[in-house]
Amino acid sequence: SQQGEEDPQALSIQEGENATMNCSYKTSINNLQWYRQNSGRGLVHLILIRSNEREKHSGRLRVTLDTSKKSSSLLITASRAADTASYFCATRRSAGNMLTFGGGTRLMVKP
Amino acid sequence: DAGVTQSPTHLIKTRGQQVTLRCSPKSGHDTVSWYQQALGQGPQFIFQYYEEEERQRGNFPDRFSGHQFPNYSSELNVNALLLGDSALYLCAVGGTNTGELFFGEGSRLTVL
Repeated sequence: SQQGEEDPQALSIQEGENATMNCSYKTSINNLQWYRQNSGRGLVHLILIRSNEREKHSGRLRVTLDTSKKSSSLLITASRAADTASYFCATRRSAGNMLTFGGGTRLMVKP
Repeated sequence: DAGVTQSPTHLIKTRGQQVTLRCSPKSGHDTVSWYQQALGQGPQFIFQYYEEEERQRGNFPDRFSGHQFPNYSSELNVNALLLGDSALYLCAVGGTNTGELFFGEGSRLTVL
């Protein structure tokens, strides 16, 4: 079973717009991570946020975490056509525990 | 560069056959995890190997087995293939503590 669920399942925007993806999970976590996957290839790690953090930035990425609501959001600012991909959230319940992925959001950025 | 090499990249099998997939991490990565990703879904955890032993296992039947070698490379074996085993199989390294995983490009298995 999947721990996280992303919303929306699919998102289509114009280049230059911001893209926001949400993730909800069910159990307590040690950290939450976001990954990107281009068209059936391997996943690439984007950003990790720990359970005691509320917000984190990396370049054009901004991640928030609300442990009381068991939810996270990923914001991509000033999107580019090259950002077109599937984005997955993944949670880790404790150190050494497995990473559990959600179903993903498929983002299309139109030039 | 993900630092993880998987082989083969694509393969086609028929129901009932057996398949072996391989994963070779770059040096320094001693923990290997395997994931199954069906089309349009997120990756599902199969199992994790550390120091040549299976350390954790997801909700997969015994038809799925694995091995880790002294050089940390790993194999995933699937017996008695079913149509539903068609998927992208991903190998990942890292995650010994709480950090991120580094994925290979995957092996796409089609079962006919």
